[in-house]
Amino acid sequence: EDQVTQSPEALRLQEGESSSLNCSYTVSGLRGLFWYRQDPGKGPEFLFTLYSAGEEKEKERLKATLTKKESFLHITAPKPEDSATYLCAVQSNSGGSNYKLTFGKGTLLTVNP
Amino acid sequence: GAVVSQHPSWVICKSGTSVKIECRSLDFQATTMFWYRQFPKQSLMLMATSNEGSKATYEQGVEKDKFLINHASLTLSTLTVTSAHPEDSSFYICSAGWTEYEQYFGPGTRLTVT
Repeated sequence: EDQVTQSPEALRLQEGESSSLNCSYTVSGLRGLFWYRQDPGKGPEFLFTLYSAGEEKEKERLKATLTKKESFLHITAPKPEDSATYLCAVQSNSGGSNYKLTFGKGTLLTVNP
Repeated sequence: GAVVSQHPSWVICKSGTSVKIECRSLDFQATTMFWYRQFPKQSLMLMATSNEGSKATYEQGVEKDKFLINHASLTLSTLTVTSAHPEDSSFYICSAGWTEYEQYFGPGTRLTVT
């Protein structure tokens, strides 16, 4: 069974204070690792998909990296508008739908001005 | 691009009634759509996967007779919660994709059963 563990559960930063969120995963065969941002009362917003260890992707102040066991979402000089819950999900080669995503519980990021 | 809509955005119904939620891909054709449920401060739990023109595949523990899913076209899937009870109150979110590597989520539907 695929498993995704995100840490920390909650993170408070001051504006401009860089940090990283962690996503550890266990899958039989990784097809892709996804990062989403979710604002309260809304659906997740797609950020990145990573496919293989060593891959990195960037978008504005966010940078996602991937190893064989975990992924990091680095936030550089965050702003208050980056406050949200960040969700990590994996898609595996295990039986069933190849499209199925297994989500972690998320990290609630709060950036104070 | 890659916009997914849901309707309604929130609904309140009485216990015992049925509620239908629509999920539409607005600017692409979705071969597969997914329905998730999210309880407060919990992550998304996949309920079922639907492919256009075929029966939905339900996750273990999800009652297929209670949560009816119809994927009538490449742009529309519906979830009907039959004989809703207060424990069915939750945030229901659909997603759609046209490849196995991209999934885009709708804004969600807040269901409250009184």
